[in-house]
Amino acid sequence: AQSVAQPEDQVNVAEGNPLTVKCTYSVSGNPYLFWYVQYPNRGLQFLLKYITGDNLVKGSYGFEAEFNKSQTSFHLKKPSALVSDSALYFCAVRVSRGSYIPTFGRGTSLIVHP
Amino acid sequence: DVKVTQSSRYLVKRTGEKVFLECVQDMDHENMFWYRQDPGLGLRLIYFSYDVKMKEKGDIPEGYSVSREKKERFSLILESASTNQTSMYLCASSLRTGPSYEQYFGPGTRLTVT
Repeated sequence: AQSVAQPEDQVNVAEGNPLTVKCTYSVSGNPYLFWYVQYPNRGLQFLLKYITGDNLVKGSYGFEAEFNKSQTSFHLKKPSALVSDSALYFCAVRVSRGSYIPTFGRGTSLIVHP
Repeated sequence: DVKVTQSSRYLVKRTGEKVFLECVQDMDHENMFWYRQDPGLGLRLIYFSYDVKMKEKGDIPEGYSVSREKKERFSLILESASTNQTSMYLCASSLRTGPSYEQYFGPGTRLTVT
């Protein structure tokens, strides 16, 4: 079984400040982890993924995420938030072997204030 | 770039009507998915297909069926639409070989059943 938790429904941050959107996971086996972003009335867009190797993964639009195996976390980060980063963010996990089907978190709404 | 298109952005149907939602991808992906997205519930998988004419039920298949006659096209069918099927419907595709591959999403269809 696999599961993902995004403990915050909403994150508020001021423009220019660093942002973190949290994600924790549970899988039996090695995880493949993903972050997606959804702008209003749009589909999801892929941001970044962790498969293996370096625990710090860099993605689109200046976002990065750190894989922490001991804490089973994969938090999304950005050093300096922009108002245009305001969107819904989804974390997803799948195991390295077996099902092709990922499990998504419920999403976190990021609001960046000017 | 991968492109996933959905036949309608907005759709209004009456209770009891048969509804077809079409999804087409242009990158020769084996896997295709249908999700529904509701506030507070995140993405829920309705059906998944890993090859032509192959399908697997997801978490909430009741009231839905699917068809995949060609590799690039995956259709979602609501046999008799009901008001509780009012939702945002998202189609996605991904490669099958190499389980690390991310999903590519269409823009979504916002369906209202009255």
